[in-house]
Amino acid sequence: KAGVTQTPRYLIKTRGQQVTLSCSPISGHRSVSWYQQTPGQGLQFLFEYFSETQRNKGNFPGRFSGRQFSNSRSEMNVSTLELGDSALYLCASSAPGIGNTIYFGEGSWLTVV
Amino acid sequence: QKEVEQNSGPLSVPEGAIASLNCTYSDRVSQSFFWYRQYSGKSPELIMSIYSNGDKEDGRFTAQLNKASQYVSLLIRDSQPSDSATYLCAVYFGNEKLTFGTGTRLTIIP
Repeated sequence: KAGVTQTPRYLIKTRGQQVTLSCSPISGHRSVSWYQQTPGQGLQFLFEYFSETQRNKGNFPGRFSGRQFSNSRSEMNVSTLELGDSALYLCASSAPGIGNTIYFGEGSWLTVV
Repeated sequence: QKEVEQNSGPLSVPEGAIASLNCTYSDRVSQSFFWYRQYSGKSPELIMSIYSNGDKEDGRFTAQLNKASQYVSLLIRDSQPSDSATYLCAVYFGNEKLTFGTGTRLTIIP
């Protein structure tokens, strides 16, 4: 069974640009969560989608947005990039149900210069 | 504010010894608890999940849960250099998102 797939793996963007990251969950998983990880802040929850609906949202500015498609694939977008957005962005998927285990993809390393 | 707290370390343990990692959480009604391991530059990978009070063993790893005291721990027996990583504790608070601690950096000394 294929794991969670994230693309692109590495990218460099300039301040003010926008970026879109993609995530394909494990087959059969309908819940997708996004996390930002930085050395200083650890793993910070961005948002969770289930059946194309945002179910939970973290404390990030509106520049961070996401969506989920009918095939459960998800994208997140960051607009007007800032230097502080440089981080590892992790996507995780889980099977339907409360409290289920989440499985991470390899992540997308974003550097903003 | 629902929180998960871990000692950031670093925790240094001799090879072959038992490594003990601890985690406390703020919400008594939490039902699902997880330990993830993260190697430098890699994404977190699941080690164990635990849902009931007591111990759960999987190979060299034992998770211990005490809901009354609101803590969960991870024991690693016969520690190996390959166990050197950051260990993340994660807790579901009710129907909300999975909340992670900041992680404990473990170093196994050969």
